[in-house]
Amino acid sequence: AQSVTQPDIHITVSEGASLELRCNYSYGATPYLFWYVQSPGQGLQLLLKYFSGDTLVQGIKGFEAEFKRSQSSFNLRKPSVHWSDAAEYFCAVGDNFNKFYFGSGTKLNVKP
Amino acid sequence: GAGVSQSPSNKVTEKGKDVELRCDPISGHTALYWYRQSLGQGLEFLIYFQGNSAPDKSGLPSDRFSAERTGGSVSTLTIQRTQQEDSAVYLCASSLTGVGETQYFGPGTRLLVL
Repeated sequence: AQSVTQPDIHITVSEGASLELRCNYSYGATPYLFWYVQSPGQGLQLLLKYFSGDTLVQGIKGFEAEFKRSQSSFNLRKPSVHWSDAAEYFCAVGDNFNKFYFGSGTKLNVKP
Repeated sequence: GAGVSQSPSNKVTEKGKDVELRCDPISGHTALYWYRQSLGQGLEFLIYFQGNSAPDKSGLPSDRFSAERTGGSVSTLTIQRTQQEDSAVYLCASSLTGVGETQYFGPGTRLLVL
């Protein structure tokens, strides 16, 4: 069965430091891959998505993610974190039948 | 409105009562999704509509859950005989056509079953 694993429940980084959030998935074919962010009191917002083509995708707010088929990973990165990035981040996989599977989320805390 | 709206925003009910949750998708979006987010958990996919049809209902947690969509627009998620484990945030999302499209999420309905 399809599944998404985000191994880090909580991450704390200092403002200005780089960030990498991990995501591993289990899916037989090439999946549709997404990263969403959920800020306190806010709805889920799409950061970026990957369907095909260039395995490094750029998103909003300076985020990027790289699809690595050999590792079944789609890690999210940002070179320099801002205090406003503190939120919960969800990785998701979509299959060809329009079903979606979300990871359990990673809560990001940003230290001043 | 411009975004996905859901009502009510909060619902407190007693165990055993039925509840209806409503979702208004973005105008023109043919695909509509329901998810459940329990405390500290990720999103659990419940059901997906393409137009008024739900091709696969296997994601619904039990036969107490049902969903419908009318006119290719508004959708309702109904939970009968609510149980305490149904307490969660129920999220609705819509997308333009479906597979691979960006989903736009509503603010959710926070359900508390006492």
